[in-house]
Order: sequence, then C-alpha cells, then structure tokens
Amino acid sequence: GQNIDQPTEMTATEGAIVQINCTYQTSGFNGLFWYQQHAGEAPTFLSYNVLDGLEEKGRFSSFLSRSKGYSYLLLKELQMKDSASYLCAVRDGDYKLSFGAGTTVTVRA
Amino acid sequence: TAGITQAPTSQILAAGRSMTLRCTQDMRHNAMYWYRQDLGLGLRLIHYSNTAGTTGKGEVPDGYSVSRANTDDFPLTLASAVPSQTSVYFCASSGGPDTGELFFGEGSRLTVL
Repeated sequence: GQNIDQPTEMTATEGAIVQINCTYQTSGFNGLFWYQQHAGEAPTFLSYNVLDGLEEKGRFSSFLSRSKGYSYLLLKELQMKDSASYLCAVRDGDYKLSFGAGTTVTVRA
Repeated sequence: TAGITQAPTSQILAAGRSMTLRCTQDMRHNAMYWYRQDLGLGLRLIHYSNTAGTTGKGEVPDGYSVSRANTDDFPLTLASAVPSQTSVYFCASSGGPDTGELFFGEGSRLTVL
C-alpha cells in the first residue's frame, strides 16, 4: 500500500499564500495528483505531476520531487472560496490512485 | 453533461441487509473505481476495474463486491451490511492508465444501523 502524509489543517488570510506539503512512500510511481473537495461535495481535479518540477495553473501551482517523495500545492491570492479540503493522491505501479487524509484549509477575511 | 451518476444519494440500511450502490458513466471511460470516505481517513479504494470484464481489489475490499459487465456500469454490493460500513461512497472513472484525472460522482451516503 501507500503511505501519504499531509497536514490536517491550515489557516490563512484572504489574499495570502498557503503551501500544503505532501510526503509519500509508494511501490512504483506513476504520478501525483492534487484534488480539491468542498464540504459535502465530490473531489475535483486540480493538478498532476509526473516529472520533477513545478506545474503552474493560474493561482495554483504544484511541485514534485520524486527522489524525496515530496510534493507541495501552492495556493496564491487566497480567496474565501478556496476554503476546502485539499487531497494529495499518488498513483502506484499498478496505476491505482491512493489518497492522503486531506488538508482542511480555512481562509479568513 | 451527466458524467458519473450515483444512486441512491442517501440510504439508511438495517444491519444484515444487502444493498447495491449504482454507478453509471457516459464518458466511455475504461477505468472505474469505488472509494469510501471517512472522517480522518480520507478516500480509501474498495474495488476498481481497469476495463469492462475485469475487476480488482483495493485497500479495503472486505464485505464488498463489484461487477463490470459493460463499460458504463460499475455497481457496488454489500451482501450483509455492518455498522462499520457507514460511510460516504464515491464512484469515479478515468480514461485509463495514460490519463490521470479521476472524475467523481456526487457520492452516496450510507448509514447502517
């Protein structure tokens, strides 16, 4: 199985930047994903990294270091609507996707 | 665009009863998955299917069975429900191993008493 760790909760101010870290141990690696999940809703896809480096998509960026088993999701110019749970997920050698427990981000005015 | 449809949205079930959660997708995706989500534990994979006619066990398969008779449908059956199966169940699909993104249904909230 997979071992995926991310912080449980983070709080930040509207307009600020927050970085959510994710570390993982996996048998085989075929990509790391970040999903956003608002309370009571289904997860939605945010980003995908399979090679080392930074992927930028608007206010969201995701970084991957395969040698360190490490990723982060960077949320810039935080808005109130960004209050949600952010899920780190790793696809293993069998192409199964396993999720971390999620990081709840609260954005305060 | 429907995407993935799950039914029922919510269900209360007596322990010992059987239940089938339905999942249908209209995107012609090859791969489909069932996850359960519990507070503090995140999403855990129950069963998956990489293509019609094949299924595999995930992290927490005990007490659940699936079938994949065609591309569109992937039902999840609880043969004899127990209270520990109280959870929110999400069905998801993806285009296959070369594509990453999972598309999720809206979830089915099951309470076993």
